[in-house]
Amino acid sequence: DTAVSQTPKYLVTQMGNDKSIKCEQNLGHDTMYWYKQDSKKFLKIMFSYNNKELIINETVPNRFSPKSPDKAHLNLHINSLELGDSAVYFCASSQETGASTGELFFGEGSRLTVL
Amino acid sequence: QKEVEQDPGPLSVPEGAIVSLNCTYSNSAFQYFMWYRQYSRKGPELLMYTYSSGNKEDGRFTAQVDKSSKYISLFIRDSQPSDSATYLCAMSGGKLIFGQGTELSVKP
Repeated sequence: DTAVSQTPKYLVTQMGNDKSIKCEQNLGHDTMYWYKQDSKKFLKIMFSYNNKELIINETVPNRFSPKSPDKAHLNLHINSLELGDSAVYFCASSQETGASTGELFFGEGSRLTVL
Repeated sequence: QKEVEQDPGPLSVPEGAIVSLNCTYSNSAFQYFMWYRQYSRKGPELLMYTYSSGNKEDGRFTAQVDKSSKYISLFIRDSQPSDSATYLCAMSGGKLIFGQGTELSVKP
């Protein structure tokens, strides 16, 4: 059973489209995250939710909107996609303490290519 | 200046070599230090985690933290081709900051 699963794994789309990525964790963790990894492998946090409440919202364009329907799910919707949005998006989860200690469990990533 | 600096490599070594991977950081507030391993087309996975200064050993892997120098290291003994991956250091003092990652290739 996959601990943190994301769908879809691959997304190829045109500029200006809207797309969503879904994430689910079955670890019973309280905190979930979205990270973006660019072509140079920099992994940067975008959002963090604790028990459905937004706790970290980094400087991310408001075209990106996360949604957490319950503590096991965190989705990411992106409007009006731009070329610079091409990246791998990782979902992760942690126990509440893991948010400070850095013990995160990552999904396999969703590779987004904007043409 | 970035909060966490890591040489991206790539680093290529022969099988059996000792590998040394390093990161420097600037924020004295960091208390937790991690190494993540990321295989190609996979998500990062936590490899080692230490709190404050000192050494931690786990099999062929040793993590070292020197808070006075703001320097952390990961040593891999008897490296294997299966160790070929990108190794990311990460640090936390409330928020987790990742280094760029060092791409390691271990040749048979």
